[in-house]
Amino acid sequence: AQSVTQLGSHVSVSEGALVLLRCNYSSSVPPYLFWYVQYPNQGLQLLLKYTSAATLVKGINGFEAEFKKSETSFHLTKPSAHMSDAAEYFCAVSDRFGNEKLTFGTGTRLTIIP
Amino acid sequence: EPEVTQTPSHQVTQMGQEVILRCVPISNHLYFYWYRQILGQKVEFLVSFYNNEISEKSEIFDDQFSVERPDGSNFTLKIRSTKLEDSAMYFCASRTSGGANTEAFFGQGTRLTVV
Repeated sequence: AQSVTQLGSHVSVSEGALVLLRCNYSSSVPPYLFWYVQYPNQGLQLLLKYTSAATLVKGINGFEAEFKKSETSFHLTKPSAHMSDAAEYFCAVSDRFGNEKLTFGTGTRLTIIP
Repeated sequence: EPEVTQTPSHQVTQMGQEVILRCVPISNHLYFYWYRQILGQKVEFLVSFYNNEISEKSEIFDDQFSVERPDGSNFTLKIRSTKLEDSAMYFCASRTSGGANTEAFFGQGTRLTVV
């Protein structure tokens, strides 16, 4: 069974600082990986996805993530945090050869310190 | 921009009552899903639906749960006899086609509180 682990349920960074949200996956086959963001009182919005093209994936709002097979990781980064980045971030995995359901991590709440 | 719409945003119900959570997926989408998130826990898959039938369901999706696409636009989740542990945020999602690499679009969720 595939799964993702997000380290750190809460992360705080200063405005302008680097954002790093960690995600490690477990899958018996090369997976598809996703990052979703949830702003207060809104639904889940796709930030970016890895589907085996480039290992460095660029998403919306200046976020990017790098797929590292050797580390089974797909960490989310942004060079300079903005106040509007405050939200809950979810890493998710999908089995490319099976069904289309998403298996989510527990989420990381990102707080931006002015 | 097209979006998935869920109603109501918040529902409070008494234990043992039936509830129906409603979703309007994006109009040209063919694959539909329900997920839920118990407070402080993971977002969990409940069920997927395609071509008017369930394509997969999780262990959570027992006989108390059912889904329906009654009129070609709405997609509903029914819980026949709610339990306290059904209290959660329920998310509806849809995608245009099958294939795990296509984007799933999520609604804003319905917060169900069972008292």
